[in-house]
Amino acid sequence: SAVISQKPSRDICQRGTSLTIQCQVDSQVTMMFWYRQQPGQSLTLIATANQGSEATYESGFVIDKFPISRPNLTFSTLTVSNMSPEDSSIYLCSVGVQGEYEKLFFGSGTQLSVL
Amino acid sequence: GNSVTQMEGPVTLSEEAFLTINCTYTATGYPSLFWYVQYPGEGLQLLLKATKADDKGSNKGFEATYRKETTSFHLEKGSVQVSDSAVYFCALTIYNQGGKLIFGQGTELSVKP
Repeated sequence: SAVISQKPSRDICQRGTSLTIQCQVDSQVTMMFWYRQQPGQSLTLIATANQGSEATYESGFVIDKFPISRPNLTFSTLTVSNMSPEDSSIYLCSVGVQGEYEKLFFGSGTQLSVL
Repeated sequence: GNSVTQMEGPVTLSEEAFLTINCTYTATGYPSLFWYVQYPGEGLQLLLKATKADDKGSNKGFEATYRKETTSFHLEKGSVQVSDSAVYFCALTIYNQGGKLIFGQGTELSVKP
């Protein structure tokens, strides 16, 4: 199994500011994903973080709002830009190995509150 | 498109009661099906999975059978415990879609002693 360290675990931010969330894995993984869990709702995929190239965003999510970096096979960041109260959610990193779709692991999440 | 629908919660049961949480799906390809659990204050954990029709996933006394004919993957447990109180998510992934998970809305389970 993969051990995922996600930081920060929680933060309270002012509207209009940006927050960068880090996801560090203890082993090389081919797949890294970022999900959002809005209050009382399910998890929604934001994007697939691609190593060495631009992330692949799902419908409704754009790079300007959620820029993602993935410089290597063990690390990724998600930035929530120009935040508004509607961005208050839990953001989760998920990792897996290509072809082993049944083995996806999740970080403990970042709980973000925007005032 | 691909989607997952779960029964709405919260579900409140007494200890040792029988649990069923319904999950149905729509999928354009050949999905693998999962149940994830989120205990209070903890991250999401895989509870069980099934990768093809008629497979039964099981773990910690929980079971779910992949029913292609009814497009369902209902979660069951014969005797719940207080420690089973958590939010349960049904999810699917399609083999050729890069491992992306599609989640149901989650069902909160509360077990009373």
